[in-house]
Amino acid sequence: DVKVTQSSRYLVKRTGEKVFLECVQDMDHENMFWYRQDPGLGLRLIYFSYDVKMKEKGDIPEGYSVSREKKERFSLILESASTNQTSMYLCASSLPPDRGGDGYTFGSGTRLTVV
Amino acid sequence: GIQVEQSPPDLILQEGANSTLRCNFSDSVNNLQWFHQNPWGQLINLFYIPSGTKQNGRLSATTVATERYSLLYISSSQTTDSGVYFCAVEQRWGGGADGLTFGKGTHLIIQP
Repeated sequence: DVKVTQSSRYLVKRTGEKVFLECVQDMDHENMFWYRQDPGLGLRLIYFSYDVKMKEKGDIPEGYSVSREKKERFSLILESASTNQTSMYLCASSLPPDRGGDGYTFGSGTRLTVV
Repeated sequence: GIQVEQSPPDLILQEGANSTLRCNFSDSVNNLQWFHQNPWGQLINLFYIPSGTKQNGRLSATTVATERYSLLYISSSQTTDSGVYFCAVEQRWGGGADGLTFGKGTHLIIQP
């Protein structure tokens, strides 16, 4: 089974801190994604990457950046954390259907609180 | 962008009952998945089903791509089935990705 591992389950950070959320997948998937989930707003795509060093903005990229230096690792960076970035963050990976992909696999999530 | 609508938004059932959750989408897709979000927030993939029918134990799913809807069936519900069920779709063909677009979910409560 594909495993997507997020480094922290719970995280508390102070306003203005630089925050790194790490995600690692172990099945050589090309595509990796970061979502956030908020009550009433659902799941929203922040950034994704379809190859090493490649990144694409999702629906809500403001206040975030990403890094993909190795195929298996995709990092989400909050340059200067703010309270409105308190959320559940979910990482996912996938293979395209034409490469035998059978959908997205999600990590267990990181609950980030910014105080 | 593509719209994904799930119904019903909430569903309360007794243990042992059967249920059907529906997902309508506004355009053709090359990926459709059903997820169950557990109490700890993890999204568990139930089915990858852009078309056709699949079964896994008490759960089954059918997607009629030409009519742009998918159904998730849960039979003989158990309390552990409680949680939020999401339908999510993607439109991209070929390589790369666009990201999944999620519906708002169905909140299912199974009472003992």
